Amino acid sequence: QLVLTQSPSASASLGASVKLTCTLSSGHTTYAIAWHQQQPEKGPRYLMKLNSDGSHNKGDGIPDRFSGSSSGAERYLTISSLQSEDEADYYCQTWGTGIRVFGGGTKLTVL
Amino acid sequence: EVQLLESGGGLRQPGGSLRLSCAASGFIFSSYAMSWVRQAPGKGLEWVSCIGTSSGSTNYADSVKGRFTISRDNSKNTLYLQVNSLRAEDTAVYYCAKESHYGDYDDWGQGTLVIVSS
Repeated sequence: QLVLTQSPSASASLGASVKLTCTLSSGHTTYAIAWHQQQPEKGPRYLMKLNSDGSHNKGDGIPDRFSGSSSGAERYLTISSLQSEDEADYYCQTWGTGIRVFGGGTKLTVL
Repeated sequence: EVQLLESGGGLRQPGGSLRLSCAASGFIFSSYAMSWVRQAPGKGLEWVSCIGTSSGSTNYADSVKGRFTISRDNSKNTLYLQVNSLRAEDTAVYYCAKESHYGDYDDWGQGTLVIVSS
């Protein structure tokens, strides 16, 4: 079964960096994923597509502060130079034949 | 610029029906698969349904199979979701999302709210 697992919460200080993790289920560890950001009271916003080799393609207008990387079943989103507007929920998403899957989301608090 | 504009949400009693629409512009609608994704109050994103570039390929989450029907009209650049036999747990903001040619959602609408309550 295709499942994405995310930690429910994370926090980091203004100006610091944070690395969020999305873990693919066994048997699906080569899948690409996408990262999406959802700021409070807003709709989701596409950040990037992240491949198993760590290569990634960002959406239009996504700052260089956002980057992705991969290791085995883990897919990472790193946000550097944290700003207050980065406080949001972050979701990973993947896809297979006839199915689309979201992780449970990570709520990022900027201290 | 890609724009996805959902409409059709509202308040319905359990057992009721609605048709949600998503008007697309700024891209060649007929060339992209589309999806509906929902978000219950205070909860995460949940995939609901997807449709291929023509209407021949559709898929549904188990939670809505047999009650919801996704469709599209490429001549009108519009995506639809017919929602029947509504339940309280269908209460959510419903988003339409454009899929890239790989499967990731690279554009989102602003959402339309469906409330199911007696």
